[in-house]
Amino acid sequence: DTGVSQDPRHKITKRGQNVTFRCDPISEHNRLYWYRQTLGQGPEFLTYFQNEAQLEKSRLLSDRFSAERPKGSFSTLEIQRTEQGDSAMYLCASSSQTNEKLFFGSGTQLSVL
Amino acid sequence: AQSVTQLGSHVSVSEGALVLLRCNYSSSVPPYLFWYVQYPNQGLQLLLKYTSAATLVKGINGFEAEFKKSETSFHLTKPSAHMSDAAEYFCAVSAGGGADGLTFGKGTHLIIQP
Repeated sequence: DTGVSQDPRHKITKRGQNVTFRCDPISEHNRLYWYRQTLGQGPEFLTYFQNEAQLEKSRLLSDRFSAERPKGSFSTLEIQRTEQGDSAMYLCASSSQTNEKLFFGSGTQLSVL
Repeated sequence: AQSVTQLGSHVSVSEGALVLLRCNYSSSVPPYLFWYVQYPNQGLQLLLKYTSAATLVKGINGFEAEFKKSETSFHLTKPSAHMSDAAEYFCAVSAGGGADGLTFGKGTHLIIQP
């Protein structure tokens, strides 16, 4: 169990640019979640995959956001035309189908200038 | 729909004193409840979870929480605070037990005074 890993740890970008984050879940976990956390707030649910199927998306996930998990293993979260309001910590978590315990990665801190 | 309210964005206790972090929930179905801890520059770690079994749940690092349906509360306690307990603590609720997303509270920053 190597844990959930996220890449990069930090990303600084200019407004209007596209960014992509990667999440590698724990290998035997078939469920994968993306959350966003801003300063002074708890994590907010963005989307959830079971294997390669995206089963739920939050209203927070605007059209500029897209997430994929093509082979049911790693996942990517892309933000197009970034805005300053997108600045946040993006967290990935995974779990197995038989255990509701979520394991979180350390997150990707996005700063949009 | 579900929600969580954590009372107190900051709680300060002396080392060795009782820790009490408050959490109240709202859920239209019997909830699953969780406490997570976040240390600086680290991911969230599960402290404990309530899944409709025993109402008093024991977690890691000496923490425990009691589910009180009548008060819609799930407060986190530890009898004796340690300096290493200083962190951000999040209460969370799930209606589906993990199949859907967790709804987190805003967090409580626990400060331990020497």
